[in-house]
Amino acid sequence: EVQLVESGGGLVQPGGSLRLSCAASGFTFSNHWMHWVRQVPGKGLVWVSLITSDGSGTNYADSVKGRFTISRDNGRNTLYLQMNSLRVEDTAVYYCVRDLSASYWGQGTLVTVSS
Amino acid sequence: DIVMTQTPLSSPVTLGQPASISCRSSQSLVHSDGNTYLSWLQQRPGQPPRLLIYEVSNRFSGVPDRFSGSGAGTDFTLKISSVEADDVGVYYCMQGTQFPCTFGPGTKLEIK
Repeated sequence: EVQLVESGGGLVQPGGSLRLSCAASGFTFSNHWMHWVRQVPGKGLVWVSLITSDGSGTNYADSVKGRFTISRDNGRNTLYLQMNSLRVEDTAVYYCVRDLSASYWGQGTLVTVSS
Repeated sequence: DIVMTQTPLSSPVTLGQPASISCRSSQSLVHSDGNTYLSWLQQRPGQPPRLLIYEVSNRFSGVPDRFSGSGAGTDFTLKISSVEADDVGVYYCMQGTQFPCTFGPGTKLEIK
């Protein structure tokens, strides 16, 4: 069974940092591109970042470029999102998603940026 | 960026009746590899999104056959042949052809 389990969310002050993790299981992690997608509760889905299967290629939404870094450890079957210089508007549930087609989603982890 | 629009934004439907959601992209979603990376997602209340349809018309594993997708280029449609109570939620189209990936605003399906 494919499982994606996010962790690392929480409350952080503006300007602070957090690192999200996504533990993958039930499939060959190193064969799949992975994304991060976020959602303000009650609002729509917003794509954040993507990384290729071997980690050699990344892409970011303009709103997070230069502040967020996506990475992966294929030996540990884990996806990461390092979030720096956090802003109030980064507050959202962050989902780990598999493939360009968005085939599997984690349950999400809530990031709250507030003073 | 490719802008995705959906109509309607809200759809009250009678149980057992069909429903249809339209998604339009601001540019063609045909990738240079020949595929069209247009997906349909369902988000039930309190749940993460779930993939229903990928590459325009391919039903994902475990998705009931009352869901179908069609379209090409910039115009796409999700159809539910006979709405059930379990189908209540928000439906999103998403393109993965060009980065940044983008989502439609969502269509809220509710039962009349």
